[in-house]
Parts: sequence; C-alpha cells; structure tokens
Amino acid sequence: EPEVTQTPSHQVTQMGQEVILRCVPISNHLYFYWYRQILGQKVEFLVSFYNNEISEKSEIFDDQFSVERPDGSNFTLKIRSTKLEDSAMYFCASTGESYEQYFGPGTRLTVT
Amino acid sequence: QQQVKQSPQSLIVQKGGISIINCAYENTAFDYFPWYQQFPGKGPALLIAIRPDVSEKKEGRFTISFNKSAKQFSLHIMDSQPGDSATYFCAAMYGNKLVFGAGTILRVKS
Repeated sequence: EPEVTQTPSHQVTQMGQEVILRCVPISNHLYFYWYRQILGQKVEFLVSFYNNEISEKSEIFDDQFSVERPDGSNFTLKIRSTKLEDSAMYFCASTGESYEQYFGPGTRLTVT
Repeated sequence: QQQVKQSPQSLIVQKGGISIINCAYENTAFDYFPWYQQFPGKGPALLIAIRPDVSEKKEGRFTISFNKSAKQFSLHIMDSQPGDSATYFCAAMYGNKLVFGAGTILRVKS
C-alpha cells in the first residue's frame, strides 16, 4: 500500500540553525501539506501546496518557513533560523483527488 | 470559528464495550469530517470520514454519527479491543486544510 515517507525521523539542531525536513508524498497525489504537533497538543495546519505553489498557510507559517517541491517526488519544509518553540513533530500529508489526507510518520525536531 | 471541540480528553473502556468520542464545531463552511487514530510516535492514520450530507457512516466496528443541525459528530467504536488503545482526533476540513480537535486518549482495559 502506498504511503507517505519522511526523513529524518529525528532531527536535533541548535537554535538559529537552518533545518530541512523531507517528505515523499504518495506518488499520484496532487496536494501536499505540512502540519506540526507540539508534544501533548493537537495537530496544527502549517501550509498546503498545489501546482508548485502555496495554496494556503496558517499564521504559524511565517517568513522563517518555506516549502519546496525540488523534483517530482520530494516535498520539503525549511526552517531558516530555528527557535526553541519550533520543537515539535512535523507531519507531511498528501491527498489525491479525494479529500482524504494521508499522513507520514513524522519528523521529531528538537531545537536546543 | 475554526475550532473543533473534542471530548472527553481521556476515556477508559472495558474490553468489548462501546467507546464514544464527541466533537462539535461552529463553522458551517466545514465540509468534510475525518477521524484519525494515532499511536505513540506515529503519524495520524485516517480511520473513517463523513460528508455533511450523510447522517451516519459505518466501517467495521467504527461508526460516525453526524448531526448537521447541532453541528456535532461522534465516533463510536463497538466491541472495543485493547489494540484500539490510542489517541483519537476528530477533524474538520475548511478549504483544503484540516482543523483538528484536541484529541482523546482511549484506553481499553482487558
């Protein structure tokens, strides 16, 4: 069964450093998303991406964040200068022509 | 307006019992209501979903009941099993983004 994959599973970085989180969405899907989940809290929408551009973003997704689909398979989330409060699980999701969003296993980002 | 309120925060059910989790929303623009199951350290897994033109949907032991006029929907897990122990999130779709409830930690005692 096709699934969304994410790398790395755990990323530790120092405050102020740049990180890139990587995702491989399900191959025939058209819409891509990033969500985050701070430990013990609910899942929060960050950004949606369609046809090589951002279609919607939340107030969390400020200028420190960017997304990119550098090739036909990868979808990345970049945080330019990490803050302690960026520590969270980051989930990539994708959807095809239906509404069903399928989530990856997540990347745990720890900012020290 | 874009919040989804979920209750209870936690739930303990005996094996074989019925687990019921409730969600409520305000924004009538929500047009798709999925439930996700999440195990520790894993991503949310889509369990079952419903559109607002349907009042009930059943898949195996899982049923969504949807009350459009009350703006409420609920997940029923029949014959609950220890393997169902997980965190359950309701969500609602607005535009193409999901708004999640706060989650319910379900523990099924054997």
